[in-house]
Amino acid sequence: AQSVTQLDSQVPVFEEAPVELRCNYSSSVSVYLFWYVQYPNQGLQLLLKYLSGSTLVKGINGFEAEFNKSQTSFHLRKPSVHISDTAEYFCAVTVHYGGSQGNLIFGKGTKLSVKP
Amino acid sequence: KAGVTQTPRYLIKTRGQQVTLSCSPISGHRSVSWYQQTPGQGLQFLFEYFSETQRNKGNFPGRFSGRQFSNSRSEMNVSTLELGDSALYLCASSYWGQTYGYTFGSGTRLTVV
Repeated sequence: AQSVTQLDSQVPVFEEAPVELRCNYSSSVSVYLFWYVQYPNQGLQLLLKYLSGSTLVKGINGFEAEFNKSQTSFHLRKPSVHISDTAEYFCAVTVHYGGSQGNLIFGKGTKLSVKP
Repeated sequence: KAGVTQTPRYLIKTRGQQVTLSCSPISGHRSVSWYQQTPGQGLQFLFEYFSETQRNKGNFPGRFSGRQFSNSRSEMNVSTLELGDSALYLCASSYWGQTYGYTFGSGTRLTVV
């Protein structure tokens, strides 16, 4: 069965600094990978996704992520964060095989706190 | 276009009661999934419906059930509520399924007392 590990439960960072939120996955078959963001009292919003092709994926709000198959990682990065990026970020994976898909499995989340 | 609408936003129920939560997906979306979010367990998959058929089911007891109507609207029902059922229940819709990413609603926060 596949699983997702987000290595940091909380990441504090100063405004305008770069940030990396780490995500590792485990799967014996091909995967699709996603990052979602959740602001307080709201649902999840899709930031970006990797389905195939280029391993560097660009998303909304200046975020990007790189798929590394050998390290089974899909880390999320932003070169300069803003106060408004304060939220919880979820990495998610779904497997695909023979035209079928599994369920979307989420990591436990990383709370990004941007300080002025 | 309108997003995913979940009603009600907040709900307080007593142990032993049952509850029905509603989800209206984005127009044209045929896949609806439900997730339970709690501080301890995080986001856990409940079930997915596609064109009125349950396509996938998570590892939850039979007290949790759902259905999808011909207009793609979905409901989930929890019978014999337990304190541990207190959570944020999120509905997500997509045209085909997970591949293209889900659009989530704001959730229904259920408190069982």
